[in-house]
Amino acid sequence: GENVEQHPSTLSVQEGDSAVIKCTYSDSASNYFPWYKQELGKRPQLIIDIRSNVGEKKDQRIAVTLNKTAKHFSLHITETQPEDSAVYFCAASKDQAGTALIFGKGTTLSVSS
Amino acid sequence: KAGVTQTPRYLIKTRGQQVTLSCSPISGHRSVSWYQQTPGQGLQFLFEYFSETQRNKGNFPGRFSGRQFSNSRSEMNVSTLELGDSALYLCASSLSGLKETQYFGPGTRLLVL
Repeated sequence: GENVEQHPSTLSVQEGDSAVIKCTYSDSASNYFPWYKQELGKRPQLIIDIRSNVGEKKDQRIAVTLNKTAKHFSLHITETQPEDSAVYFCAASKDQAGTALIFGKGTTLSVSS
Repeated sequence: KAGVTQTPRYLIKTRGQQVTLSCSPISGHRSVSWYQQTPGQGLQFLFEYFSETQRNKGNFPGRFSGRQFSNSRSEMNVSTLELGDSALYLCASSLSGLKETQYFGPGTRLLVL
């Protein structure tokens, strides 16, 4: 079955720096890649997603890139702020509905001011 | 609109018992997915229901089952509880599940003693 590897497991940056989180997936049939942010004690929330027919997607300070050939995708956060501190999860799905999400183990991002 | 709700929020059971968790999706959402979250294994997909039918299934034993009602509310049941079933159980809903945003509920924290 699908396996998603996520790196790094922890990431500490200074406010204003950029942060990059990388994920690789094993099943070339995967076609939907969302990213979720989970703050301590709260539910995961979608921050951005990308479909396999797109190579890059941006939303303000957040961007995601996808390399289908290498089977990896990355989350880029620019101008980090303390409120960006959270656990970030990447996920991949190959089912048509995109609902059977296989998650990476998560990256704990700490942004210090 | 009200968000995804889950009941109960906390539950303590003993080994061998069974438990039923409930999830009420956002009004109008027809897809409900269930996930198990633990510190060791992270977020793992259990199953997804759409229009009262199980559409996708993860790699969990048959002790884990679910169903969806005509109003899209969903329940999951775990029989013959094991210590390792202690986890946060999250459900997520989306409109039709066609690679749309999944909105997570607050979760039910289950402790098996």
